Amino acid sequence: AQKVTQAQTEISVVEKEDVTLDCVYETRDTTYYLFWYKQPPSGELVFLIRRNSFDEQNEISGRYSWNFQKSTSSFNFTITASQVVDSAVYFCALSESPPLVFGKGTRLSVIA
Amino acid sequence: NAGVTQTPKFRILKIGQSMTLQCTQDMNHNYMYWYRQDPGMGLKLIYYSVGAGITDKGEVPNGYNVSRSTTEDFPLRLELAAPSQTSVYFCASSKPWGEMSFGYTFGSGTRLTVV
Repeated sequence: AQKVTQAQTEISVVEKEDVTLDCVYETRDTTYYLFWYKQPPSGELVFLIRRNSFDEQNEISGRYSWNFQKSTSSFNFTITASQVVDSAVYFCALSESPPLVFGKGTRLSVIA
Repeated sequence: NAGVTQTPKFRILKIGQSMTLQCTQDMNHNYMYWYRQDPGMGLKLIYYSVGAGITDKGEVPNGYNVSRSTTEDFPLRLELAAPSQTSVYFCASSKPWGEMSFGYTFGSGTRLTVV
């Protein structure tokens, strides 16, 4: 069965600090997708990244970076030089078949 | 393109009432999904559909019904609303799993309160 664990329930950082959000997943399949979504206070789900299981390259997009390690079943998300606008709930999700399975999310608060 | 449209955005129901949450997508996606998000929690799958006429239960289907008569629409029916169904409901759609550019498009959500 597929499972996603986001052990950090809430994180609070001061603006300009770097922060890493952890995501550990469980799956028996060799083919799967991993996602990160952002849910700002307004409530919508904003897609951040998709990674398939055959692509372990790390990715950087502006201040965002993702570290995918199959050996540890982790797909961690780092925000560099955090900003107040990064305050949101972040969800990691796994798909080994059509439905997406979400972690419980990490609430990030960035304090000015 | 509108993407995934959910109506209504907000609704207050009394215990025992029924209602239908509407979801429409204009991307010709075969797969559609209903999730609920309780306060401080992740999203849990209620039902999903891989095509017109095909539906399947997710993790928390009790108290809900769905139908998929067209590719575009995937309504969620609540019968005999209960306070435990107070939640935010998200509809989503996707291309078939494994296709290039596979991903999920979410609607903006319906906030339902049962009192």
